[in-house]
Amino acid sequence: TQLLEQSPQFLSIQEGENLTVYCNSSSVFSSLQWYRQEPGEGPVLLVTVVTGGEVKKLKRLTFQFGDARKDSSLHITAAQPGDTGLYLCARYSGGGADGLTFGKGTHLIIQP
Amino acid sequence: DSGVTQTPKHLITATGQRVTLRCSPRSGDLSVYWYQQSLDQGLQFLIQYYNGEERAKGNILERFSAQQFPDLHSELNLSSLELGDSALYFCASSVGPFSNQPQHFGDGTRLSIL
Repeated sequence: TQLLEQSPQFLSIQEGENLTVYCNSSSVFSSLQWYRQEPGEGPVLLVTVVTGGEVKKLKRLTFQFGDARKDSSLHITAAQPGDTGLYLCARYSGGGADGLTFGKGTHLIIQP
Repeated sequence: DSGVTQTPKHLITATGQRVTLRCSPRSGDLSVYWYQQSLDQGLQFLIQYYNGEERAKGNILERFSAQQFPDLHSELNLSSLELGDSALYFCASSVGPFSNQPQHFGDGTRLSIL
């Protein structure tokens, strides 16, 4: 099984601070997705990154795909309580009939 | 609202029993995916159907089975239930057959085995 390691597992910070969470694998991804999940709801897709070195921005969220396509990071600037949730990364290995492999996620709490 | 509907929201049953979880995909989506989420294992892919046919299989136990009907809704059948089957079960849907296309998740069914 090709695992996805997410770190940190838990993160609690004050509103207004910046943070970065990470997603790493020992093998190359065809593409990688980031999802956010709030309590009582299903995950919601934030972004898909495909090209090594790619950087995508979604308001205060910046997603980066490593040059070797084995890792990714999510940086949040000036975190707000509404950013609270479980952040999941998911890799797609390619090759057609293959499901997504999810990491266990980073539980993020932004305290007002 | 993702447009994906899962029923029931909560299910409580006993060991050895059988349950059926239902999923209606977003309008226009042909793929349905089933996932299991637990605290220790995280979110794990179980199985995918595309336009009525099984397309991909993940960590699905032999006691579990699924199908997708002509109207594209899907059911996940769990039998001979064990305490360890207690988890959140999510359904997701996407337009096409490839897992890296955007998937839209329902709000899940929480299954508790007593």
